[in-house]
Amino acid sequence: AQTVTQSQPEMSVQEAETVTLSCTYDTSENNYYLFWYKQPPSRQMILVIRQEAYKQQNATENRFSVNFQKAAKSFSLKISDSQLGDTAMYFCAFMKHDGNEKLTFGTGTRLTIIP
Amino acid sequence: SQTIHQWPATLVQPVGSPLSLECTVEGTSNPNLYWYRQAAGRGLQLLFYSVGIGQISSEVPQNLSASRPQDRQFILSSKKLLLSDSGFYLCAWSDIPVMTFFGQGTRLTVV
Repeated sequence: AQTVTQSQPEMSVQEAETVTLSCTYDTSENNYYLFWYKQPPSRQMILVIRQEAYKQQNATENRFSVNFQKAAKSFSLKISDSQLGDTAMYFCAFMKHDGNEKLTFGTGTRLTIIP
Repeated sequence: SQTIHQWPATLVQPVGSPLSLECTVEGTSNPNLYWYRQAAGRGLQLLFYSVGIGQISSEVPQNLSASRPQDRQFILSSKKLLLSDSGFYLCAWSDIPVMTFFGQGTRLTVV
């Protein structure tokens, strides 16, 4: 079974600064995907970024990028030039590549952007 | 375009009462469907998933059940609610590999 650990329950950062959220996972699988989801106060789960385990290049989506260290089983999210709208819960998630598309989530990090 | 409808948005039910949460997806066919639960201060936990009509897989033993009577309809039920069933329930679907989309969620409070 897979596990996902987010060791930072809460973080805060000044607007326009950069923040990094940590995530580690444990799996015996070799073919899998990793995700960061954002859950704003509306509770809607929004996909932020996705990383395929077989790709060495780190995924990037505008101000969001990841640092994927497969050997260390680490998958951190970096948010650059943080904005007030980035305030949300952030969840790291794991998906085994088996066609069932089941997600295993971490416990989340509550990020607050301070004006 | 595809959309997902989940209702109700909030629900307060007494202990021992039945439950029925419904989720429908539009604009796609034969999607995988999922029910996740988010307990207070915790991440999402997969409860059930379905790869087709009448096909339900349970991920955790619990007081709940799921059914898929139609291709794009997924129902979460309970005959008798427990206090521990309180939480935020999210329906999700996937018809593209490695892409999961979530509904707006239902906040269930059992009193």
